[in-house]
Amino acid sequence: EDQVTQSPEALRLQEGESSSLNCSYTVSGLRGLFWYRQDPGKGPEFLFTLYSAGEEKEKERLKATLTKKESFLHITAPKPEDSATYLCAVQARQVGNEKLTFGTGTRLTIIP
Amino acid sequence: EAGVTQFPSHSVIEKGQTVTLRCDPISGHDNLYWYRRVMGKEIKFLLHFVKESKQDESGMPNNRFLAERTGGTYSTLKVQPAELEDSGVYFCASSQDFRVGSNYGYTFGSGTRLTVV
Repeated sequence: EDQVTQSPEALRLQEGESSSLNCSYTVSGLRGLFWYRQDPGKGPEFLFTLYSAGEEKEKERLKATLTKKESFLHITAPKPEDSATYLCAVQARQVGNEKLTFGTGTRLTIIP
Repeated sequence: EAGVTQFPSHSVIEKGQTVTLRCDPISGHDNLYWYRRVMGKEIKFLLHFVKESKQDESGMPNNRFLAERTGGTYSTLKVQPAELEDSGVYFCASSQDFRVGSNYGYTFGSGTRLTVV
């Protein structure tokens, strides 16, 4: 069974203090690993899709990386508006399968 | 473009009653998905439509849940009769055909918060 574990559960940073969020996964053949951001009362908002080990993608202060067992979401010099829950999800490479398996998320708080 | 729209945004019903949730996907998206997040747990897959056909309903918890997508446009998820453990946030998502290698993800709606009392 596909599984995603995110750590830490919660993280508080000072504005400008860089850090990384971790997503460890087990999946029967990875088709894609997804990062989403979720604000309170809203649905998940798509950030990145990664497909193979060694791949990296960047968007503003965020950079996502992927290995064969885990993914990291690096946040550089964060601002208060980066506060949100960050979700990781995997999709297995199976015919007809598009199910995403999510982790429980990391709740990130950036203190001004 | 308009996003994925879900309504109602909140629903409070009594145990044993029936509730119907609705999802309007992004226009032109053939793929529509339902997910659910119960308190303290991760978001879990319920089912996947391709146009009006159920592609994968492996996540549907039991036969009290019925999903339909008439005409391949909007979808409804009916819970009948509702139980206490059905409380949670129900998300709908839609997508075009997924292509490996693209920076493409699934677009989610804001969800319906269902409370069964």
